[in-house]
Amino acid sequence: NAGVMQNPRHLVRRRGQEARLRCSPMKGHSHVYWYRQLPEEGLKFMVYLQKENIIDESGMPKERFSAEFPKEGPSILRIQQVVRGDSAAYFCASSPAVRDRGSNEQFFGPGTRLTVL
Amino acid sequence: LAKTTQPISMDSYEGQEVNITCSHNNIATNDYITWYQQFPSQGPRFIIQGYKTKVTNEVASLFIPADRKSSTLSLPRVSLSDTAVYYCLVEGYSTLTFGKGTMLLVSP
Repeated sequence: NAGVMQNPRHLVRRRGQEARLRCSPMKGHSHVYWYRQLPEEGLKFMVYLQKENIIDESGMPKERFSAEFPKEGPSILRIQQVVRGDSAAYFCASSPAVRDRGSNEQFFGPGTRLTVL
Repeated sequence: LAKTTQPISMDSYEGQEVNITCSHNNIATNDYITWYQQFPSQGPRFIIQGYKTKVTNEVASLFIPADRKSSTLSLPRVSLSDTAVYYCLVEGYSTLTFGKGTMLLVSP
């Protein structure tokens, strides 16, 4: 059973370009989460999605960032008109159906390291 | 207000037991306590989770006192490969909130 897949692993963009990060959850997982990690910092939650639905986007910047998890295919985190401050590692995690009580283990991918020149 | 407080760094030697304590004074009734491990250039990996008392698995133990305002992750007989950042989280449902974690350095 393959783990969470993310691609590309490294992405270089110039200021003003668009960045598209892809995440394929573990087989059987219907919940996807995106996190951003700056150097020497912990991960910061961005968005939580289920198939075709955004459940919680409270950590997502209001402009330039968007996320989707279509019925078919991977989840996409899209950053338009990138700026240098967007340079970070972006991690995707997935989990199976959320339980009624208790925390749910999340399985993380290897991350995409975005560098904006 | 931070959900959790843990030491920024800890040093240990191979073969020793390491205990990392986390404070979570404002833990809610529905919150679970979860620890993740992160190696450089990798995503975090789940280590252990508990609600109260003691939980043990093949890699670690988690001690939670009755008031649940703190927890201690215990790593028995650490090796060099245990050098990593360890995150303590308290979460009740879905999204995870990571602090800066504890950087554990294991030396020969």
